[in-house]
Amino acid sequence: GAVVSQHPSWVICKSGTSVKIECRSLDFQATTMFWYRQFPKQSLMLMATSNEGSKATYEQGVEKDKFLINHASLTLSTLTVTSAHPEDSSFYICSAGQRTSGVQETQYFGPGTRLLVL
Amino acid sequence: KQEVTQIPAALSVPEGENLVLNCSFTDSAIYNLQWFRQDPGKGLTSLLLIQSSQREQTSGRLNASLDKSSGRSTLYIAASQPGDSATYLCAVFSGGYNKLIFGAGTRLAVHP
Repeated sequence: GAVVSQHPSWVICKSGTSVKIECRSLDFQATTMFWYRQFPKQSLMLMATSNEGSKATYEQGVEKDKFLINHASLTLSTLTVTSAHPEDSSFYICSAGQRTSGVQETQYFGPGTRLLVL
Repeated sequence: KQEVTQIPAALSVPEGENLVLNCSFTDSAIYNLQWFRQDPGKGLTSLLLIQSSQREQTSGRLNASLDKSSGRSTLYIAASQPGDSATYLCAVFSGGYNKLIFGAGTRLAVHP
C-alpha cells in the first residue's frame, strides 16, 4: 500500500517552454501533497505544500508564478514549471501525506522526475 | 532555524563491515526523525521512523537511535552488503516548521 507515482519520470525540453509533472497517490487519499527539488549531491528542498481545493503554500524564495501547483483531487497534484530555463534543470520529487495522529503526517514519496532544460 | 547535518558525506567500505552514519539537528523540538534510502536517480524509501518519545528503532540489519536532547541520531548498518550502496538521508519533522527538513545525505558504497 501507500504507493505514489510521478509522470513523466524524465523530460527534456527547450528553454522557454512549460512542463507539467503529475503526482498521484494510487491507493490512498492524501491529505496533503508536497513538492521537493533536489540538485545533484544535495538534499531535498521543500518547494511547496498543497491541500486539495486550496492554494499551495510556497516556501520562501520559491516563485509561485513560475512553479504552478494545482491540487485537483485527493489523489492528484500537478507541478507546472513555466517558461523553463536551464537553471530549472533538477530532480523534482513529490510526496503524498496521510495523517496518522495529531499534526503528524506520514509522507510517501514518488519516484521523482528528472527535468533537463536545454 | 532547523538545520540537519549528516556526517560523513561519503563512505566507501568493504563488504561485511558494520557502519555508523551520523545525523545532527539544531532544534531539538521535533516530533519524529526518519531515515530514508535513495538509489541514484530514484525516489526515497523510508527505512526507519523514530518518534520523539522513542530512543531507537530496528529493522533487520538496521538500527536507528535518537538522542533528542543532544540533537543526534545514528543509523547503524550491520554486516554491510553491496546492495546497501545508496544515499542515506536523515529528516526531522518539527511542529514549529510543519515540514520535513532533510540533511544532505551520506553516499555509501559497499564494495565486494
